[in-house]
Amino acid sequence: DAKTTQPPSMDCAEGRAANLPCNHSTISGNEYVYWYRQIHSQGPQYIIHGLKNNETNEMASLIITEDRKSSTLILPHATLRDTAVYYCIVRVAGSNYQLIWGAGTKLIIKP
Amino acid sequence: NAGVMQNPRHLVRRRGQEARLRCSPVKGHSHVYWYRQLPEEGLKFMVYLQKENIIDESGMPKERFSAEFPKEGPSILRIQQVVRGDSAAYFCASSPTGVDGYTFGSGTRLTVV
Repeated sequence: DAKTTQPPSMDCAEGRAANLPCNHSTISGNEYVYWYRQIHSQGPQYIIHGLKNNETNEMASLIITEDRKSSTLILPHATLRDTAVYYCIVRVAGSNYQLIWGAGTKLIIKP
Repeated sequence: NAGVMQNPRHLVRRRGQEARLRCSPVKGHSHVYWYRQLPEEGLKFMVYLQKENIIDESGMPKERFSAEFPKEGPSILRIQQVVRGDSAAYFCASSPTGVDGYTFGSGTRLTVV
């Protein structure tokens, strides 16, 4: 079973910031939060990951709460090409290679 | 998803036939993973291989499914005597370290008729 909970779907207007929440209340101290996305009919694409500090890269920002029980992925200026399913994944401690995927959030960017 | 090449992109097999899915990892990556995805669901881990070795096959059905990653050539996921329930998208990922830096291929969509 996935260790994360995400809303099944969200809409966002083009040009606005898309904020995607994720709950991971049972996360362990040495587990990272990873975000991937999957555009229709393609393989998953890595976006960002973090442990406890907020992270930013050219694609997105990741905000992790102080208690690490939840996080938010922020796409600062969403475009139509950001329409995809976004997955929040907590890496399994001790089995680092095995990513456990939930159903994700289907993000639809509207013009 | 540049780098990890999977072929074929689409594969149609009749029940009882064999399906062979190929995955060429990113150049220099020696760790390969196979995942299966059913419609409207997340990916499910199947198997993790390093060159010539199966590290973890805990997610792979015990019967009809096998995987290999030979010293030379692509990784192969083989499904014998396919059934309708095997219809899914199969994704391969590779990593240089086995811990991080996963790159996914575009997947093979298997349809069993």
